[in-house]
Amino acid sequence: DAGITQSPRYKITETGRQVTLMCHQTWSHSYMFWYRQDLGHGLRLIYYSAAADITDKGEVPDGYVVSRSKTENFPLTLESATRSQTSVYFCASSESGGVQPQHFGDGTRLSIL
Amino acid sequence: DQQVKQNSPSLSVQEGRISILNCDYTNSMFDYFLWYKKYPAEGPTFLISISSIKDKNEDGRFTVFLNKSAKHLSLHIVPSQPGDSAVYFCAASAPTGANNLFFGTGTRLTVIP
Repeated sequence: DAGITQSPRYKITETGRQVTLMCHQTWSHSYMFWYRQDLGHGLRLIYYSAAADITDKGEVPDGYVVSRSKTENFPLTLESATRSQTSVYFCASSESGGVQPQHFGDGTRLSIL
Repeated sequence: DQQVKQNSPSLSVQEGRISILNCDYTNSMFDYFLWYKKYPAEGPTFLISISSIKDKNEDGRFTVFLNKSAKHLSLHIVPSQPGDSAVYFCAASAPTGANNLFFGTGTRLTVIP
């Protein structure tokens, strides 16, 4: 089925470790996004990508790295995880920029001990 | 600093009655507003949107009202159904072309049968 899938759904790791969250979409949408959801903050944009090999920072990019070598994949890497990065992470995609609704994956719950 | 605010963390409504969820924003550059609905362990799903050139948009039981002078929007659900019980997020974007969304903190709606 077409859609957007995130993996893993749950992840526990330790501070200082590197961890990569995967996001894959089958719609061939141009835009992809990474958000984190924290209590009291709603969803906040970490990074976004307008196309393959084009990425840009969002509201809270520190401590995260993204890449987009293929249109359908947009992995998010925490190079040295910290406890403050414990959160639920959502990937989203949209057909284009501007006034297009974003379609979200089901999230990855990441716990950093 | 939260640019989109949902000041009511929760709302309980009887089945069949109207649910009114409110959202305020501070950035006058926002020109497109969306409501998302989120069930536990799932990603947000797009519900309804409105452009700043309109003051009302309706889709079935869902109506969004926009008051630009007050920087306020609201989502009306009539009649409310138990399946509407979820967390509702308000989101806004500015005309930057990047489709970056700014989310509120969410309102948990409970519809009581």
